[in-house]
Amino acid sequence: SQTIHQWPATLVQPVGSPLSLECTVEGTSNPNLYWYRQAAGRGLQLLFYSVGIGQISSEVPQNLSASRPQDRQFILSSKKLLLSDSGFYLCAWSVPGQGNQPQHFGDGTRLSIL
Amino acid sequence: GENVEQHPSTLSVQEGDSAVIKCTYSDSASNYFPWYKQELGKRPQLIIDIRSNVGEKKDQRIAVTLNKTAKHFSLHITETQPEDSAVYFCAASRGDMRFGAGTRLTVKP
Repeated sequence: SQTIHQWPATLVQPVGSPLSLECTVEGTSNPNLYWYRQAAGRGLQLLFYSVGIGQISSEVPQNLSASRPQDRQFILSSKKLLLSDSGFYLCAWSVPGQGNQPQHFGDGTRLSIL
Repeated sequence: GENVEQHPSTLSVQEGDSAVIKCTYSDSASNYFPWYKQELGKRPQLIIDIRSNVGEKKDQRIAVTLNKTAKHFSLHITETQPEDSAVYFCAASRGDMRFGAGTRLTVKP
């Protein structure tokens, strides 16, 4: 069966510091991968998605970036964090090439910027 | 692109009553409509989904209905229980999934 792992679970970072969040999927090949941000009490904002290694689409221009160095690894990064980057970051995967399929979410990373 | 609107934003019901959450979408090409439940501090989890070739789908106490002509779909929860309390998200997809803003459901014992 497929599993998705995100880490760390929680992170407290100062303004201006760098960021690296990692997501890996097991049990499937060439998944579609997604990064979402959820502000407190709010909905899901799609940040990036990827349909293959090295292929990244950005939904919202901001100081975050994403990379997919391996088939089942998706990384969210920032060179300098802003206060507004605080939130709950969720990685998700879906089966590619079979029409519309559900997205399956990881447990998320709660990021607090001080 | 697709735009999904979800109502109400908050819903409070008494245990045992029914709850209905409604969503509308803008892109008539959307053909897949999942619903997610998110408990406090946890990840969204898929609870039911429906595809555009089906008008209704049921799974025990939850059901989803789809009206393609009107471009709206609804989640129905019957015999609500306190553990149904959570935020519920609808979504619409024709390949790129778009989520509604969420409904916070509170079931009072």
